[in-house]
Amino acid sequence: DTEVTQTPKHLVMGMTNKKSLKCEQHMGHRAMYWYKQKAKKPPELMFVYSYEKLSINESVPSRFSPECPNSSLLNLHLHALQPEDSALYLCASSQDFKGRNTEAFFGQGTRLTVV
Amino acid sequence: KNQVEQSPQSLIILEGKNCTLQCNYTVSPFSNLRWYKQDTGRGPVSLTIMTFSENTKSNGRYTATLDADTKQSSLHITASQLSDSASYICVVSRGSGTYKYIFGTGTRLKVLA
Repeated sequence: DTEVTQTPKHLVMGMTNKKSLKCEQHMGHRAMYWYKQKAKKPPELMFVYSYEKLSINESVPSRFSPECPNSSLLNLHLHALQPEDSALYLCASSQDFKGRNTEAFFGQGTRLTVV
Repeated sequence: KNQVEQSPQSLIILEGKNCTLQCNYTVSPFSNLRWYKQDTGRGPVSLTIMTFSENTKSNGRYTATLDADTKQSSLHITASQLSDSASYICVVSRGSGTYKYIFGTGTRLKVLA
């Protein structure tokens, strides 16, 4: 199984809602990532988890809250978002965080629209 | 500054034709370079990964080259198909310290029948 599975595929939420994005992988990868991608732009790194611990937070606003319940799961909790947060949210995983020759496997993304 | 630049920004070719996409980087220290294909609204899918010592790597109709001296890479697509229409992203990984992928801005390829 070389898949990273993200749910939901699409999400529309109001600015006062609380929602969560989910990501799952069963490749035994110990590093998991959240990226945000706006249209026609490259993905921007948000968070990196290594061995279930938060290793990198790229100065992401607190309305985005990541959680790594176990080595296979990664969640992104959303609260009080703004319309400009509408984007494609990508989850990725790799074998290791600082190892060489590691390949990142991306999920299909969650298309988030904030209204 | 660690940067990855790709050219052209967009490209339109006829089905069956070949094309070459370029990637120049200034990332240091260098660990590896990947080419990803991303369909609109979908996650990137890895095509190739190349380390410092590798010059060429193929994956079906995709052939990537790497010149670590000039810090340039190319992705050559042979006998293009309509399904090749996508964005192609060059991603360079730094080799030490904070491990981070540096993404290029991508080349948007459109293959016409």
